Amino acid sequence: NAGVTQTPKFQVLKTGQSMTLQCAQDMNHNSMYWYRQDPGMGLRLIYYSASEGTTDKGEVPNGYNVSRLNKREFSLRLESAAPSQTSVYFCASKSTTNEKLFFGSGTQLSVL
Amino acid sequence: DAKTTQPPSMDCAEGRAANLPCNHSTISGNEYVYWYRQIHSQGPQYIIHGLKNNETNEMASLIITEDRKSSTLILPHATLRDTAVYYCIVPIYGYSTLTFGKGTMLLVSP
Repeated sequence: NAGVTQTPKFQVLKTGQSMTLQCAQDMNHNSMYWYRQDPGMGLRLIYYSASEGTTDKGEVPNGYNVSRLNKREFSLRLESAAPSQTSVYFCASKSTTNEKLFFGSGTQLSVL
Repeated sequence: DAKTTQPPSMDCAEGRAANLPCNHSTISGNEYVYWYRQIHSQGPQYIIHGLKNNETNEMASLIITEDRKSSTLILPHATLRDTAVYYCIVPIYGYSTLTFGKGTMLLVSP
């Protein structure tokens, strides 16, 4: 049972480049989330998907887009990367029965 | 999420109990208290949750006061591997999202 799988683990981009962070879960969870974490700070919610076919903005959505491809997969896209988007990105999923979030191992992104 | 207040940091000697406090004075009657921890550079990990009764699992114990305005997470025999940031969260009932604050940085020393 893999849980939540994120790819890639590390990525370096130049300003203006685009990329997509992939996330997949195998726990049949309805809800999926993308957080970012900057040094010395807590996690901030970027976007979430409460169920397949729906997405909603979180606390810091600017500069990002998401796609809930199916129940398993939730991707995060940076269309034109900026240095302010240098961060560690975490994907998570949750069932509807409680608030137990399961997190992936994270993607460390640097934008130069 | 209902506002929670945690100390920014705590120290604990290896083998001793670590008691991490959390205040949540605005908690509503049907809102649970959840605890997570984040070991350096890893994704947060669920520890335990409770409504009003004390709870225990293989990782920790959760003590919630009778008025539910505060709680304490107890790691009965802390090890060096318990060094992490611990987050106390009270999700708003019926909402899909969880808000992580800055938590408590627990340092377990030999």
